[in-house]
Parts: sequence; structure tokens; C-alpha cells
Amino acid sequence: EAQVTQNPRYLITVTGKKLTVTCSQNMNHEYMSWYRQDPGLGLRQIYYSMNVEVTDKGDVPEGYKVSRKEKRNFPLILESPSPNQTSLYFCASSFLEAFTDTQYFGPGTRLTVL
Amino acid sequence: KNEVEQSPQNLTAQEGEFITINCSYSVGISALHWLQQHPGGGIVSLFMLSSGKKKHGRLIATINIQEKHSSLHITASHPRDSAVYICAFLSYNTDKLIFGTGTRLQVFP
Repeated sequence: EAQVTQNPRYLITVTGKKLTVTCSQNMNHEYMSWYRQDPGLGLRQIYYSMNVEVTDKGDVPEGYKVSRKEKRNFPLILESPSPNQTSLYFCASSFLEAFTDTQYFGPGTRLTVL
Repeated sequence: KNEVEQSPQNLTAQEGEFITINCSYSVGISALHWLQQHPGGGIVSLFMLSSGKKKHGRLIATINIQEKHSSLHITASHPRDSAVYICAFLSYNTDKLIFGTGTRLQVFP
């Protein structure tokens, strides 16, 4: 089954404790991206990747890192999480670059930083 | 002026009603997407369209590129259609991804 998986689905952590949210897709997509969704602000892009070893900043990259060592995986790293990173996070993938092609979204990761 | 406006913000309907959700934008785009976000949070892509009309089951999406407007219609609405519907696109003026703030639809039996 074609899918984008994210782990964990829910995470409660404390300020400053490094964490990684994994994202994996099995569709051989070249484009992958991370979004955060906050009430009243909608979806905002954090980082995206056009292919292996190619990543770029989206609208709200501060406080996040990503890597793309393999085509299928695109982890989101919070080196020192802060409460303002409490949000709902989505990973998405597509064959072509952002929103020029059908997007496939992961199930979301609800992160709470205390 | 906002680059995108969705209306209405909230919509309540009785089962069986015809639903229309609107998305107006002010920038140049090549394609517009309609997304559905379920109450549990998951997001599904419903349509990507660059002209005319697309239909999938009870859902119909239309776009008028000249008027910079798109609509999502749901015929014979059902409680399982209750979700937030979001329009999104890539602006080729700014090369920026833009998301609408969503329309929350509740369909009651």
C-alpha cells in the first residue's frame, strides 16, 4: 500500500531535550516536505527536499533540522525543542516539487513541548 | 490583500444538502489543490486542478483561472463528509506555498 508513515504519532517532551520525528514513504517520490499546523495559522512549510542530499528552508525553518540521506526517509530534528514548537506536524511527499503534483501526507505527529 | 481567502470559515449542513466551499486567490498559480483534513487530523489530497472541473464520486471541484477562484462542491452530503477543507497552491509570482485557513464542515444526520 502506498503510504507516508510518521513516528511517533504523539510525543510529549521537555524543553531542550533533542528529538527526531521520522518520516518514510514507499512511493519512490523525489519531493518530501515537513509542515506544521497551528490553530489560526494553518499549514506552514518548515523544510523540503527535492532529492537525496538536497534540502531547503521553507517558511518557518528556525529551530529545525532535516536530512535526506536516502530517498525514502526525511527525518525532522529538533535539537533543542521549545514550547513554541508545540504543534501538529505533517510530512508529505510527491513525485514532483511542492504542489505541482498530488501530495501524499503522513498521519501527523502531535508534539507537546513542556 | 490576503493571497488566499476561503469562505465560509464554518459550515453546518443537514445530511443530503448540497455544499459549496470557495477559495479565492490573488496570485498567479499553475494548479490548485483541495485537501481534506479529517477530525482525527489526517490530511488527504482530494483534487489537483489547473482548469475546468474535476469530479470524484460526490465531490466536484471547479476552477476559473481568469477570475482566480475555485469551488469545491459536495452533492448529497453525509456526516462522514464532516472535515476541514483546505485549498492550497504554489504561487509562481513568489515561488511560495500558500494554504487557505480552511473551511470546517459539519454535516448532521
